[in-house]
Amino acid sequence: KNEVEQSPQNLTAQEGEFITINCSYSVGISALHWLQQHPGGGIVSLFMLSSGKKKHGRLIATINIQEKHSSLHITASHPRDSAVYICAARPQGGGADGLTFGKGTHLIIQP
Amino acid sequence: KAGVTQTPRYLIKTRGQQVTLSCSPISGHRSVSWYQQTPGQGLQFLFEYFSETQRNKGNFPGRFSGRQFSNSRSEMNVSTLELGDSALYLCASSLTGQQSNSPLHFGNGTRLTVT
Repeated sequence: KNEVEQSPQNLTAQEGEFITINCSYSVGISALHWLQQHPGGGIVSLFMLSSGKKKHGRLIATINIQEKHSSLHITASHPRDSAVYICAARPQGGGADGLTFGKGTHLIIQP
Repeated sequence: KAGVTQTPRYLIKTRGQQVTLSCSPISGHRSVSWYQQTPGQGLQFLFEYFSETQRNKGNFPGRFSGRQFSNSRSEMNVSTLELGDSALYLCASSLTGQQSNSPLHFGNGTRLTVT
């Protein structure tokens, strides 16, 4: 069974700071998702990656398949980045298992 | 293009009752997956449907069931509700499903409260 761990659970930072959220998983995966959830519940898919690095605006996601680890970085953080960030792992080889989710990182960016 | 639509947004039910939630995917998407989110357990995968067939199933009791119609709309049903079923239920649609490289698009969820 895949275990997905995120750290930190909670993070408060000042506007402009560089933010890093970490995600580790226990078994081989074929892809990892980074999701953003704002108060009210709506979830937005930020990245889906299976190797290397992806960038979108101020957001960067990296994954190291050998070390079973992924990071989400936010550069020049802004109060509107305040949200819960969740990573989710897709198991390797298909099969009947769906995504396994981390517990989320609650990020607050103060002005 | 309209996003993923979930109805209703809020629902209050009593223990022992049953409930049906609806999810309309983005036009052209054939996969709909369902998730339960609670403060204690976080997000958990319930099941995935693709072209009217259940393709994957999470570790939930048989009281949780679903189906998908020919227009890709999906419903999930929870029978004999328990207090612990109180949660935000989210669905997501994608072109070809969780096991592919097509991204997931989430609805805003249905918040179910069981009293």
